[in-house]
Amino acid sequence: DIQMTQSPSSLSASVGDRVTITCQASQDIRNYLNWYQQKPGKAPKLLIYDASNLETGVPSRFSGSGSGTDFTFTISSLQPEDIATYYCQQCDNLPLTFGGGTKVEIK
Amino acid sequence: EVQLLESGGGLVQPGGSLRLSCAASGFTFSNYAMNWVRQAPGKGLEWVSAVSGSGGSPFYADSVKGRFTISRDNSKNTVYLQMNSLRAEDTAVYYCARVSERAANLIIVATDFDYWGQGTLVTVSS
Repeated sequence: DIQMTQSPSSLSASVGDRVTITCQASQDIRNYLNWYQQKPGKAPKLLIYDASNLETGVPSRFSGSGSGTDFTFTISSLQPEDIATYYCQQCDNLPLTFGGGTKVEIK
Repeated sequence: EVQLLESGGGLVQPGGSLRLSCAASGFTFSNYAMNWVRQAPGKGLEWVSAVSGSGGSPFYADSVKGRFTISRDNSKNTVYLQMNSLRAEDTAVYYCARVSERAANLIIVATDFDYWGQGTLVTVSS
């Protein structure tokens, strides 16, 4: 199985800050990496697919990059409504696997 | 509007069985593979199972293989997860999820998921 190592597990930042989350795959997954946002008590929401493509309707302050084994997710200017847990997910091979999540809080 | 509505969760004793349902609407159900993803209380996301649009090609996580069965009824726009021999570690919110529009009509059964249900809680406890 492909292991997804996500860091940090949590972070605290101020409104307007740039926030970066990394995700490392245990083997080459090409660009088959997706990012989700999950708010408490809610289902995950797809933000980024295929490493760098913004899902329709998602604000442009969210972005993703990377390929192979190393990936980055960025919020260019943190907003109060971005408080959530973010997960990466690889879909290059079954079983699909997720990173452990990054909880983003407002400082 | 795409909607996914799970049902069937509840409290069950270890060793027991439960069948989850996910009723879909707002899209051509048979064109999309469907998946189940679960989340234990306070934990991360775990992929459980996938089934192709036709109902063939089921896939399972090792943690549930041999105990869970995924199926679908395209005439009812519903996907199911039959869960047998339940264990305490199966306690979780179970979400059904649709593969993205980009994977419609393709043989890919699990990619990114653009629509999720609200989840149904399964608690395995004596």
